[in-house]
Amino acid sequence: EDQVTQSPEALRLQEGESSSLNCSYTVSGLRGLFWYRQDPGKGPEFLFTLYSAGEEKEKERLKATLTKKESFLHITAPKPEDSATYLCAVNRAGTYKYIFGTGTRLKVLA
Amino acid sequence: NAGVTQTPKFQVLKTGQSMTLQCAQDMNHEYMSWYRQDPGMGLRLIHYSVGAGITDQGEVPNGYNVSRSTTEDFPLRLLSAAPSQTSVYFCASTELGGGSYNSPLHFGNGTRLTVT
Repeated sequence: EDQVTQSPEALRLQEGESSSLNCSYTVSGLRGLFWYRQDPGKGPEFLFTLYSAGEEKEKERLKATLTKKESFLHITAPKPEDSATYLCAVNRAGTYKYIFGTGTRLKVLA
Repeated sequence: NAGVTQTPKFQVLKTGQSMTLQCAQDMNHEYMSWYRQDPGMGLRLIHYSVGAGITDQGEVPNGYNVSRSTTEDFPLRLLSAAPSQTSVYFCASTELGGGSYNSPLHFGNGTRLTVT
């Protein structure tokens, strides 16, 4: 069965304290892995798509990487405005369905 | 560009009432979908559509109906609301782009539904 597991569930960081969020996945025929950011009361906002193992994408303080079993979202020198829930999703070959993890709630303290 | 627009933003229903959640997108996306988001459960797919006149069930379709008469609109109908349907509902769309099916979803800002 296709599955996406994110860890940790919640993370508190001091401003400037770098860390990584994990997304482990089990899917037959990965077509794409997606990272989203979700702010309270809003819909998820797209950050990155990764298609194959070894691929990396960067945007400001965020860097996403992909292996055959998991993806990491690295946050370098985070700021309070990076506080949000980060969601990971996968899309399996042969289906139109996107499978989401339950997210990591990140709080960055000033 | 408005993107994906959902209405209403908030709704309170009594058990047994019916209502329609509206979703419209202006990006000419073939694919549209409905998710519900509950604490600790993540986003779960209710129904999806790959084009006008084509719909299919997702993970949690019971109690919900959909139709797709135009590319732009994908309403979600609750036929007889139950307290278990209290949730935040998100509509999302994407392009299918020549069969690649790996484009990211674009989300609306949700409808927060409470059923009492």
